[in-house]
Amino acid sequence: NAGVTQTPKFQVLKTGQSMTLQCAQDMNHEYMSWYRQDPGMGLRLIHYSVGAGITDQGEVPNGYNVSRSTTEDFPLRLLSAAPSQTSVYFCASSKQGIGEKLFFGSGTQLSVL
Amino acid sequence: AQTVTQSQPEMSVQEAETVTLSCTYDTSESDYYLFWYKQPPSRQMILVIRQEAYKQQNATENRFSVNFQKAAKSFSLKISDSQLGDAAMYFCAYRSAYSGTASKLTFGTGTRLQVTL
Repeated sequence: NAGVTQTPKFQVLKTGQSMTLQCAQDMNHEYMSWYRQDPGMGLRLIHYSVGAGITDQGEVPNGYNVSRSTTEDFPLRLLSAAPSQTSVYFCASSKQGIGEKLFFGSGTQLSVL
Repeated sequence: AQTVTQSQPEMSVQEAETVTLSCTYDTSESDYYLFWYKQPPSRQMILVIRQEAYKQQNATENRFSVNFQKAAKSFSLKISDSQLGDAAMYFCAYRSAYSGTASKLTFGTGTRLQVTL
């Protein structure tokens, strides 16, 4: 059982480049979310989805875009990367709600030079 | 807005001993949920324990238990018989019982637990 799969695990970008972080889950969970983890700041919610076709902003949405065309996939797009977006990104899914019993992926470590 | 505070950036415990990680939170709500998540070196976070605020009884999961003090807004995690595999970053988190399934988590800044022989 794969659970939540994130790709890539590591990525280096130059300022201004765009890229998509992939997230897929095979548990048929309705709820998916993206977090970023920065030293000394815990995890902060970027965007979330309560089902296919429905997304909403979290605490730190600026500079990121999401879509949810299928239940399984929830990609996160960086439109024009900035050094402030250097972070570890986590995707999570849940059967019960955005903040309830989350299953996490193993993260993507992103560096923006 | 709710805040979650973990005042211990790092803790250390000897194998087989007991350790308590602290967490306090600030909220004006009466109904909510509290969680402890573990992030091992592999980075993949897993749920350790969950507490419902309206339940007086402290949650327990094997060697992990909590001390939930609602009036003091305190939610500490006790790890008994510590094992090397317990070494990880531990995050405390809060979510409101309102807003239903769209209720979001607020995380603390984490406590890094080291387990020594």
